[in-house]
Amino acid sequence: DGGITQSPKYLFRKEGQNVTLSCEQNLNHDAMYWYRQDPGQGLRLIYYSQIVNDFQKGDIAEGYSVSREKKESFPLTVTSAQKNPTAFYLCASSPRTRETEAFFGQGTRLTVV
Amino acid sequence: GENVEQHPSTLSVQEGDSAVIKCTYSDSASNYFPWYKQELGKRPQLIIDIRSNVGEKKDQRIAVTLNKTAKHFSLHITETQPEDSAVYFCAASLNYGGSQGNLIFGKGTKLSVKP
Repeated sequence: DGGITQSPKYLFRKEGQNVTLSCEQNLNHDAMYWYRQDPGQGLRLIYYSQIVNDFQKGDIAEGYSVSREKKESFPLTVTSAQKNPTAFYLCASSPRTRETEAFFGQGTRLTVV
Repeated sequence: GENVEQHPSTLSVQEGDSAVIKCTYSDSASNYFPWYKQELGKRPQLIIDIRSNVGEKKDQRIAVTLNKTAKHFSLHITETQPEDSAVYFCAASLNYGGSQGNLIFGKGTKLSVKP
């Protein structure tokens, strides 16, 4: 069953702790993305990767880090430097070809307690 | 970089009426414009998209129009139904050299269809 999977669905973190959100896809897509969704703010790009072992900052990368060691996986770490980490995080992937849609995971809701 | 503005932020219509959501973009080189629907608690899913070489595209009750000169594109939903209630996002992407650019999203429109 092909798709893109994020885990966990809900995540709670204490202030000052780093936390890693998982994103795995078996669609054989080259490109992967992380978006943050806040009410009334739409989807804002955090990081993206067009190919293994390469990634680029998006519009709101501060306080986040990523890795792309495997084509299938693009984990996002929310560090203690992120001032307002409580949000809904969406991972997406797409083929590295022209004009194709992005497929989204089901999201992870992170809450800082 | 690209900037996408979306209006209105909320839209309420009666069942059976039409709904129109409008977006503008800033980068004239953008050439791919998808629309996503996100139901409450679910992931965004593509409902329709349009390329820059096309002015209009229709899929049953959904249509999208693109005006490249004015740099705006719109989503039209006819004969709305309660299950159309969701948040709709427009996006723009610049594709070049065979590689897909990043999708830049509007802030979303919450559509409510009243029975």
